[in-house]
Amino acid sequence: QKEVEQDPGPLSVPEGAIVSLNCTYSNSAFQYFMWYRQYSRKGPELLMYTYSSGNKEDGRFTAQVDKSSKYISLFIRDSQPSDSATYLCAMSLNQAGTALIFGKGTTLSVSS
Amino acid sequence: GAVVSQHPSRVICKSGTSVKIECRSLDFQATTMFWYRQFPKQSLMLMATSNEGSKATYEQGVEKDKFLINHASLTLSTLTVTSAHPEDSSFYICSAAVTGGRNEQFFGPGTRLTVL
Repeated sequence: QKEVEQDPGPLSVPEGAIVSLNCTYSNSAFQYFMWYRQYSRKGPELLMYTYSSGNKEDGRFTAQVDKSSKYISLFIRDSQPSDSATYLCAMSLNQAGTALIFGKGTTLSVSS
Repeated sequence: GAVVSQHPSRVICKSGTSVKIECRSLDFQATTMFWYRQFPKQSLMLMATSNEGSKATYEQGVEKDKFLINHASLTLSTLTVTSAHPEDSSFYICSAAVTGGRNEQFFGPGTRLTVL
């Protein structure tokens, strides 16, 4: 079993839809959870950062972490064509200086 | 803020040659930089962790003599792919962790290496 599992998709939705992206993980010691967005042939861009369990909202994006289920989610409301990208979940054990463990990424396509 | 640059963005080289990739944190100091490799439709795979002023820590299966990493200052780390072969063709991405902060890593735009 891989440390971080993420359905690669692709996921296609119409503009305005609510998108749900998910990752599961096996290591209960992970404490920091992140979502990155990566456009084709570009470096990942940090979208959301969460420590431990709970929800975090930023504009149209909401990140949820359920440590008891080892499950994290990213919701995108009112999706736009510009949201079309690959979304990578990532997590780490502890504080700064620790390498991130990435999911495989989910490719999202939002059609207008 | 928190901008990371990489140079070059794209490089094509002949088999057997060496290629150097630079990673710079432009507006912050990064005690730790990471080097990742990403193959098409795959996730980022950590190659090595680089701390300023010390030897890099390589992940299992990554040849340290082939992928030379130098982290000479708090804003610059370099990755040199020595004696490159076609199987080394990939997208190489660096990230920098903010010194003293939470584990928030900022990624460079990546370098696409093609070895002929």
